[in-house]
Amino acid sequence: GQQLNQSPQSMFIQEGEDVSMNCTSSSIFNTWLWYKQDPGEGPVLLIALYKAGELTSNGRLTAQFGITRKDSFLNISASIPSDVGIYFCAGPRSNTGNQFYFGTGTSLTVIP
Amino acid sequence: DTGVSQNPRHKITKRGQNVTFRCDPISEHNRLYWYRQTLGQGPEFLTYFQNEAQLEKSRLLSDRFSAERPKGSFSTLEIQRTEQGDSAMYLCASSLVNLRAVGNTIYFGEGSWLTVV
Repeated sequence: GQQLNQSPQSMFIQEGEDVSMNCTSSSIFNTWLWYKQDPGEGPVLLIALYKAGELTSNGRLTAQFGITRKDSFLNISASIPSDVGIYFCAGPRSNTGNQFYFGTGTSLTVIP
Repeated sequence: DTGVSQNPRHKITKRGQNVTFRCDPISEHNRLYWYRQTLGQGPEFLTYFQNEAQLEKSRLLSDRFSAERPKGSFSTLEIQRTEQGDSAMYLCASSLVNLRAVGNTIYFGEGSWLTVV
């Protein structure tokens, strides 16, 4: 099925640093979702984007819906140890959003 | 807790046995999804329900898999004659889709880990 490409695959950063990751698709999406997943748990929704060019914040997290509608970015400012986890982007296959495709994930490690 | 609830959280079964997972979605949500996730991968879509109707099934959902949502509320996912390749985390998600279709956002449960030995 559709593959969303996430980069980087993994990141090792010092506590307090800012983080940036992105997600690209070969298809146009009308929604981008960003999730964080801790080991052994289900993904938790961080930010939802519904409009090209939209920039949305959730605390220290900021995500943008690319104007081409084929990409999205997630930034984390002033990282803390609890930011550790795997971050997934997701987008629906169609306007009805019946099926969501997920990226391969970005693994984030924060070194205290 | 009013989130998506799944049980059991963990299941170890012998190859060839049947297993069943249950999902209770967020109460007002009309759509329910099942996904499968293996280590190092993102969730993969299996199937979804709109109320009690199963409207789409992935090719990943072999004949040994069956999902139901009899009253449009909770759902079950049964795997018959389990194989070692079925070992994965099975995730349930739900969403509320409105007529305006402004945007669909899905919320996941904590997942059910299956280990087939």
